[in-house]
Amino acid sequence: GQQLNQSPQSMFIQEGEDVSMNCTSSSIFNTWLWYKQDPGEGPVLLIALYKAGELTSNGRLTAQFGITRKDSFLNISASIPSDVGIYFCAGQLTNAGKSTFGDGTTLTVKP
Amino acid sequence: DVKVTQSSRYLVKRTGEKVFLECVQDMDHENMFWYRQDPGLGLRLIYFSYDVKMKEKGDIPEGYSVSREKKERFSLILESASTNQTSMYLCASRATVVQGNEQYFGPGTRLTVT
Repeated sequence: GQQLNQSPQSMFIQEGEDVSMNCTSSSIFNTWLWYKQDPGEGPVLLIALYKAGELTSNGRLTAQFGITRKDSFLNISASIPSDVGIYFCAGQLTNAGKSTFGDGTTLTVKP
Repeated sequence: DVKVTQSSRYLVKRTGEKVFLECVQDMDHENMFWYRQDPGLGLRLIYFSYDVKMKEKGDIPEGYSVSREKKERFSLILESASTNQTSMYLCASRATVVQGNEQYFGPGTRLTVT
């Protein structure tokens, strides 16, 4: 089956720093999604990407759909303490029911 | 705003009990999913449904069953709860391609089986 490698597994950064994380796949996807999960809560959708090369922003977050359709990147600029959480990527094929999820990147922001 | 709700945030059940977890979405989505999430194991798909009365097994269906009698509601059933089913259960619904193909999660149910 399809596998998603998400890296890094964890990050410890200082408030105000920029953050980058990525997901790579062994096969192509038609949609990439990025989620954030706070402790004890369900994942919240941050950004959805639909076309290869697409670059989409949501406030301080920017995500890109890789040209090869096998990867995606999420950047967070000027991190703040409430950015703490686990960030997941997910890939989808248009007509398939299931999504494939990465294992998550745990972000810690030190004030 | 898309809304996926789950009937309980926290649940404590005894071994052998029958457990029902309910999920409701208000966006007329056709696809609905049940996952469990455990530390170090990520999100694992239990069952999904792409239409009323339709269901498909996910990666770990053993010990679970599902019911989808109405489009907006997808229920997960633990026929005889066991301690290894203690977990965080997440329901999700997914838009169609026309609607944007986005998948939304509920807030989760933390189930403890004693």
